[in-house]
Amino acid sequence: NAGVTQTPKFRVLKTGQSMTLLCAQDMNHEYMYWYRQDPGMGLRLIHYSVGEGTTAKGEVPDGYNVSRLKKQNFLLGLESAAPSQTSVYFCASSSDREVTPQHFGDGTRLSIL
Amino acid sequence: GQNIDQPTEMTATEGAIVQINCTYQTSGFNGLFWYQQHAGEAPTFLSYNVLDGLEEKGRFSSFLSRSKGYSYLLLKELQMKDSASYLCAVQDSNYQLIWGAGTKLIIKP
Repeated sequence: NAGVTQTPKFRVLKTGQSMTLLCAQDMNHEYMYWYRQDPGMGLRLIHYSVGEGTTAKGEVPDGYNVSRLKKQNFLLGLESAAPSQTSVYFCASSSDREVTPQHFGDGTRLSIL
Repeated sequence: GQNIDQPTEMTATEGAIVQINCTYQTSGFNGLFWYQQHAGEAPTFLSYNVLDGLEEKGRFSSFLSRSKGYSYLLLKELQMKDSASYLCAVQDSNYQLIWGAGTKLIIKP
């Protein structure tokens, strides 16, 4: 019953450092998503994937890169972290993009100093 | 542009009924979702509406009027565990979810 698992749960970075956020799902879902959630704002889509080997830009892709080498994993990379990227990052997955709901991981709380 | 509006915060009493409204203006419409998010946790799915009318699921009901760009989530017999944020999200013409900022619901004994 793991569902969507995100690692790490918390991380503090210095400006300019790089890191990768990991997302794994065990539901055999085709679609995977990375969102960021900031106070007073709705979830914003960073990047998404419609299947293994595919990625696409969402609403706020700048400063982030993603990869989907395996169907169950979706990685979010920050090449050179900036304080504006301090946020809570959520990964989600769904079996299709229409009527089925997205299932979310527990989030990664990232602070950039 | 695309916009989802919800009240920032609401307060209700345990055992009572509360209605959380959501209005939207989006590029196309392919459905509306409601999610619950407890503080520090992941959003979890509550309901989905694509046709006009009321969908009932236990203590929770969700209503949609596409012509008015309006939805509400109705919570009955409120319990303390219902204290959470409630997120409205609309699926646009590209099937991407556009999210409201959420309504924080505070339940008082």
